[in-house]
Amino acid sequence: EVQLIQSGAEVKKPGESLTISCKGSGYKFTNYWISWVRQMPGKGLEWMGRIDPSDSYTNYSPSIQGHVSISADESINTAYLQWNSLKASDTALYFCARIDSGVTASNWGQGTLVTVSS
Amino acid sequence: QSALTQPASVSASPGQSITISCTGTASDVGGYNYVSWYQQHPGKAPKLMIYDVNKRPSGVSNRFSGSKSGNTASLTISGLQAEDEADYYCTSYANSDTLGVFGGGTKLTVL
Repeated sequence: EVQLIQSGAEVKKPGESLTISCKGSGYKFTNYWISWVRQMPGKGLEWMGRIDPSDSYTNYSPSIQGHVSISADESINTAYLQWNSLKASDTALYFCARIDSGVTASNWGQGTLVTVSS
Repeated sequence: QSALTQPASVSASPGQSITISCTGTASDVGGYNYVSWYQQHPGKAPKLMIYDVNKRPSGVSNRFSGSKSGNTASLTISGLQAEDEADYYCTSYANSDTLGVFGGGTKLTVL
């Protein structure tokens, strides 16, 4: 069974750094891209970026580029989403998803709620 | 890249059918047969309901169907059931260097 298990909820202050994770199991991790999707409170879904775990090639949304970084460690089948300096506007529910092709993702993590507040 | 356009809400009674539209451009919806639809219940992860415009993943009810005409894709749900009440999002491939784009989402209320 394919599973994506995300790290737990986080509460941080503006300016702090944070890394959340997404561990894949039940499939060959390097065969599928992992995407991160943001859902701000009461809002819709937004593709943030994606990584090819086989070579760590990444794409980012123009609205996100430079503010977050996506990485992966194929030795432990885990993808990461990292911020160096959080803002209050980063408060959101973050999902990872395994990309089957294009915009098709049949497996999702359970979501990680990030709250940034002073 | 602009978001795809979906109606904010639709509603219908159990047993009825509804169609949710998703309008993009020739650079996304109209240019590729790579439109997916996701169902999301509050606080839960999205669930893939339709991919490649009109394909249904294993385990998804055949009450869900997808289609496309020009720059507009559509999701039809027939025989509405209470558990269909959720938010529905379309998303389309745009090109190999971009992530794709989501619609704003449609809240389906089963009366």
